[in-house]
Amino acid sequence: EVQLVESGGGLVQPGGSLRLSCATSGFTFSSYWMTWVRQAPGKGLEWVANIKQDGSEKYYVDSVKGRFTISRDNAKNSLYLRMNSLRAEDTGVYYCARDGSGWYPRYGFDPWGQGTLVTVSS
Amino acid sequence: QSALTQPRSVSGSPGQSVTISCTGTSSDVGGYNFVSWYQQHPGKAPKLMIYDVSKRPSGVPDRFSASKSGNTASLTISGLQAEDEADYYCCSYAGRYTFVVFGGGTKLTVL
Repeated sequence: EVQLVESGGGLVQPGGSLRLSCATSGFTFSSYWMTWVRQAPGKGLEWVANIKQDGSEKYYVDSVKGRFTISRDNAKNSLYLRMNSLRAEDTGVYYCARDGSGWYPRYGFDPWGQGTLVTVSS
Repeated sequence: QSALTQPRSVSGSPGQSVTISCTGTSSDVGGYNFVSWYQQHPGKAPKLMIYDVSKRPSGVPDRFSASKSGNTASLTISGLQAEDEADYYCCSYAGRYTFVVFGGGTKLTVL
């Protein structure tokens, strides 16, 4: 069974940092693009970042560029999101999700983890 | 304001069909065949229902179908069932600078 389990969320003050992790199992992690998507409380989904199989390509939504860093460790079957200079508007549930296994992403995210809540507040 | 426009809510009775629209531009929905749809029940993670405009992942009932015309994508759910009540989000690739955009979500109520 394919599983993705996020961790690392919590309460952080504005300007602070957090590192989210996504532990995966049940598939060949190193063969897939991976993605982070977030959801503010009561709001819709927002794509945050994605990363190629070997980590050579990384892309971000404009609002997090320069503050967030996506990375992966294929030996540990894990995906990460380092978040710096956090703002109130970064508050929400952060999901990791699997994308395609080809040269390019397929932008069909399946499956998703259960999410981890990040709250940025003083 | 979301990049893709969806109706905030739709409703239908059990057994009926409903269609949810998703309107974008030639820079996203109209420009690429990377449109996907997600179902999200309250407090749960989203689930992929459709990818590549109209393809269903294994395990998704064939009651779910989708298409695209110009800058508008559509998800149709036929033979509505109580468990279909959820939020539905469309998603599209939007080019090498914006990458991915979502719709604002549509709440489906099964009457």
